[in-house]
Amino acid sequence: QLQLQESGPGLVKPSQTLSLSCAVSGGSIISAAKAWSWIRQPPGKGLEWIGFVFQSGNTYFNPSLKSRVSISVDRSTNQFTLHLYSVTAADTAVYFCARTPNWVDAFDIWGQGTMVTVSS
Amino acid sequence: DIQMTQSPSSLSASIGDRVTITCRASQSINNFLNWYQQKPGEAPKLLIFSASSLQTGVPSRFTGSGSGTDFTLSISSLQSEDFGTYYCQQSFTTPRTFGQGTRVEIK
Repeated sequence: QLQLQESGPGLVKPSQTLSLSCAVSGGSIISAAKAWSWIRQPPGKGLEWIGFVFQSGNTYFNPSLKSRVSISVDRSTNQFTLHLYSVTAADTAVYFCARTPNWVDAFDIWGQGTMVTVSS
Repeated sequence: DIQMTQSPSSLSASIGDRVTITCRASQSINNFLNWYQQKPGEAPKLLIFSASSLQTGVPSRFTGSGSGTDFTLSISSLQSEDFGTYYCQQSFTTPRTFGQGTRVEIK
């Protein structure tokens, strides 16, 4: 059974880079999905899609964040990683990783989420 | 970006009631519409994909319908475990976008 687990610092200083990893277990990151996504949720608010990386390596990002974000896959560790640059307090949120399977365009498996606070 | 608008923003209903949540897209998205349930402190859970297909393991009291711009999620007989916030999400184009959520409370 495929599972996802986010990891990374819970506190990041303003203007620094937020880096989170999502470990994929129970399957290969190469073949277990059409795409791997990051999605975030500010405290008490709704869901915002950040971006995804396809099996091909192509990436797509939310234009609201496009200039500050990158997502990459590490096949050797079966993980994918989010980097969000030049963070501000507005980037404080729970960050989720999620899978889009090969058979439907939806987010069918999610990590439990990790809270990241941007504060000095 | 495609805007997704849900209504109502919140509702309170009794066990056994039929509950309907609507989701409207700012342009046609065919049937590229998914529904999720999120409970406090948890990740969202996929309920319905492609507007009307039930995800494996989801109770049959959940149904989805609609196409184009107007969609509905119905719960035929509300159960105590159905509390939470429900989100629609379009997968027609990038950026993927979610509705603002509908909070369901059990009376």
